Amino acid sequence: EFQLMESGGGLVQPGRSLRLSCAASGFTFDDYAMHWVRQAPGKGLEWVSGISWNSNNIAYADSVKGRFTISRDNAKNSLYLQMNSLRPEDTALYYCARDPSTGAGPFDYWGQGTLVTVSS
Amino acid sequence: QSALTQPASVSGSPGQSITISCTGTSSDIGNYNLISWYQHHPGKAPKLLIYEVRKRPSGISNRFSGSKSGNTASLTISGLQAEDEADYYCCSYADSSPVVFGGGTRLIVL
Repeated sequence: EFQLMESGGGLVQPGRSLRLSCAASGFTFDDYAMHWVRQAPGKGLEWVSGISWNSNNIAYADSVKGRFTISRDNAKNSLYLQMNSLRPEDTALYYCARDPSTGAGPFDYWGQGTLVTVSS
Repeated sequence: QSALTQPASVSGSPGQSITISCTGTSSDIGNYNLISWYQHHPGKAPKLLIYEVRKRPSGISNRFSGSKSGNTASLTISGLQAEDEADYYCCSYADSSPVVFGGGTRLIVL
């Protein structure tokens, strides 16, 4: 069965960094583009970043560009999100999602999410 | 990267049909067929219901259907059931960003 499991969330002070991980299992990881999508408390879904299967194509939402870096290690079946210069508005549940297409969705499987709280 | 526009909430009684609209622009919905819909029960992972405007993934009930006209996409749920009560999100490819979501619609089953 397909599984995506996020980890690495937690409470962090504004301006600090955090690295999220997403471990994939049950499918051929390098056949798929992958994305991070977040949901702030009481808000809707917001796409954060996406990466192609071979890491050649990477994109970011304007709200995180220059602060967040997406990466993947196909040998470890893992997706990452390095988050620097964190702001209170980055507080959200962060999901990783699988993309069977070219990197613009759809997202056919999602993890359960990892919670990031940015607060002093 | 403006969000697509969805109604905040819709409601219907069991057995009825409802439609959720998703309005964008010629830079996203109007110019591309990479439109998808997701069902999200709080505390659970979002689920893909529709992709490429009207296609259903394996295992998704044919009570869920998608369509598009101009800059507006729509999700129709027929034969409403109690378990359909959830948040629904549209999503589209966009010129300004690979992906843009709608603001979400809360479906209330009366």
